[in-house]
Amino acid sequence: DGGITQSPKYLFRKEGQNVTLSCEQNLNHDAMYWYRQDPGQGLRLIYYSQIVNDFQKGDIAEGYSVSREKKESFPLTVTSAQKNPTAFYLCATLRGNPGDTQYFGPGTRLTVL
Amino acid sequence: QKEVEQNSGPLSVPEGAIASLNCTYSDRGSQSFFWYRQYSGKSPELIMSIYSNGDKEDGRFTAQLNKASQYVSLLIRDSQPSDSATYLCAVRDFNKFYFGSGTKLNVKP
Repeated sequence: DGGITQSPKYLFRKEGQNVTLSCEQNLNHDAMYWYRQDPGQGLRLIYYSQIVNDFQKGDIAEGYSVSREKKESFPLTVTSAQKNPTAFYLCATLRGNPGDTQYFGPGTRLTVL
Repeated sequence: QKEVEQNSGPLSVPEGAIASLNCTYSDRGSQSFFWYRQYSGKSPELIMSIYSNGDKEDGRFTAQLNKASQYVSLLIRDSQPSDSATYLCAVRDFNKFYFGSGTKLNVKP
């Protein structure tokens, strides 16, 4: 994960609340991603951003929102519209050269009470 | 929707044996393939990347790619209990990555 920080590590939310997950990177990578992982499943793409002030929806964007005001930061807001937000959330970055791979932050585990 | 398929396992092997993990993908035009290891409660970490048909070796790990069959595999030689984890196969399409659901590997001492 080195160079990518996510906070908090654990987050508890009451139903109906919005919460924001932080992702910061000092790798100077252009692209940033948010994934959701449920038990026994792979990673599903929520949103991604390839440059500042621009982002695209992934496969499961409903109930989530993002912003990319700085290259280093890509916060994810889980809104009350997300029906089942309990999951492990992973932030990743990509330098962007052909053949490069993604690097992951340590993750945030969100639990809805 | 691009599909990446893996057997969920668990795959159980004795310590010192070879573990063989398999992955198939749906997009024939895919060019970049990755294997990640994920310990329980942790984030994925890159094990291997492979881009050309054939084998690529790195220590105890060998990745194999067959684009005609749309198949990529990971062999782990001399498996150790510390190799027990879930292994995720990923396929890159431009700047998006598609992940399989992972194969859980148990290496028994």
